[in-house]
Amino acid sequence: DQQVKQNSPSLSVQEGRISILNCDYTNSMFDYFLWYKKYPAEGPTFLISISSIKDKNEDGRFTVFLNKSAKHLSLHIVPSQPGDSAVYFCAARNYGGSQGNLIFGKGTKLSVKP
Amino acid sequence: ETGVTQTPRHLVMGMTNKKSLKCEQHLGHNAMYWYKQSAKKPLELMFVYNFKEQTENNSVPSRFSPECPNSSHLFLHLHTLQPEDSALYLCASSQTAVLNTEAFFGQGTRLTVV
Repeated sequence: DQQVKQNSPSLSVQEGRISILNCDYTNSMFDYFLWYKKYPAEGPTFLISISSIKDKNEDGRFTVFLNKSAKHLSLHIVPSQPGDSAVYFCAARNYGGSQGNLIFGKGTKLSVKP
Repeated sequence: ETGVTQTPRHLVMGMTNKKSLKCEQHLGHNAMYWYKQSAKKPLELMFVYNFKEQTENNSVPSRFSPECPNSSHLFLHLHTLQPEDSALYLCASSQTAVLNTEAFFGQGTRLTVV
């Protein structure tokens, strides 16, 4: 059973608009969440993270929101750019667990159209 | 360029072959990981090395054998693989396996078992 779910396999957004990528999790012991971006033929690249003691973390155009009661996090990209087109993975870590214990979602493919 | 280099980028091998995947990181990190990404599945952790010691073996079959001679190098030795082992194998590193630091991924080795 998947503990980290990205229910939208793909998302298409117009350039300049907001992209919202969603992620749900089932394990209330997760205490650290990350978003990775992956281009074709490349490995995943770290994008942004958030600790469970926060509900928002912002880095430039990227903001991650965490709703612990709903076990839901989202990544907002504003404004979206064609270069943001990639697969985005949500990942979560168990409380006290190691970096290697990241649980990944299946990913959402974002397409930003000019 | 993430500072994590994997070779080869592509590998085709027969079920009776023995081959090795190599990973090298130039980031001064102390933890290294092997992940497997099969089609339409999330990234799956295989092995974790922290300060050259294996700390995780995520129920990986013995036909996959990791080796970590030092903190900068990680190998995955392959023998008598099955066609279902065909996947993208990703190496990653992080400062340590414990702290809240992100992992840096290599570009991966696309393995095809025939």
